[in-house]
Amino acid sequence: AQSVSQHNHHVILSEAASLELGCNYSYGGTVNLFWYVQYPGQHLQLLLKYFSGDPLVKGIKGFEAEFIKSKFSFNLRKPSVQWSDTAEYFCAVSDRGSTLGRLYFGRGTQLTVWP
Amino acid sequence: NAGVMQNPRHLVRRRGQEARLRCSPMKGHSHVYWYRQLPEEGLKFMVYLQKENIIDESGMPKERFSAEFPKEGPSILRIQQVVRGDSAAYFCASSYRDRGPGNTIYFGEGSWLTVV
Repeated sequence: AQSVSQHNHHVILSEAASLELGCNYSYGGTVNLFWYVQYPGQHLQLLLKYFSGDPLVKGIKGFEAEFIKSKFSFNLRKPSVQWSDTAEYFCAVSDRGSTLGRLYFGRGTQLTVWP
Repeated sequence: NAGVMQNPRHLVRRRGQEARLRCSPMKGHSHVYWYRQLPEEGLKFMVYLQKENIIDESGMPKERFSAEFPKEGPSILRIQQVVRGDSAAYFCASSYRDRGPGNTIYFGEGSWLTVV
């Protein structure tokens, strides 16, 4: 079975700091990769996804992620965070040949941004 | 533009009671997925349903848990004889198609079950 590791459980930053959240997965086959965000009291929202092509993926709200196949990684980045980015971030993986909704999630990283 | 609707948002049950969680997918979506998030863990896939069919229930506990998605009405996740370990957030998601890069699954806001 696949597994997804998110290295940091809780990250605390000041506004304007740069962000990088780590995500590694274990699976030998071809994968689709996702980052979701959950703001307090809200549903999970898709930030960005990678299916194929350019390994540098740009998402909403200034987020981007880079797929490094050799490292089985899909780290999330943002050059300058805002207070409104305070949320929980989930990395997820699916088998390319599997159904879209069969996702394997990491345990999440809580990001707190101080104004 | 109604998203995926789940209710109730919060549910408290005593041990041994039944819990029913409902999920109405986005309009036009016929694929529904249920996930469970235990405290301090990521979301774990439970079951994938299409109208009147269970497609993949590989993540469902073998006993006490069942799911359905009838021809009419919402999808239901049913937990019989709840135990404290069932306390978790249950998320529903839906999609228009079940695969392809142009497609996305959309999540509801979750239902929090507390067993006392």
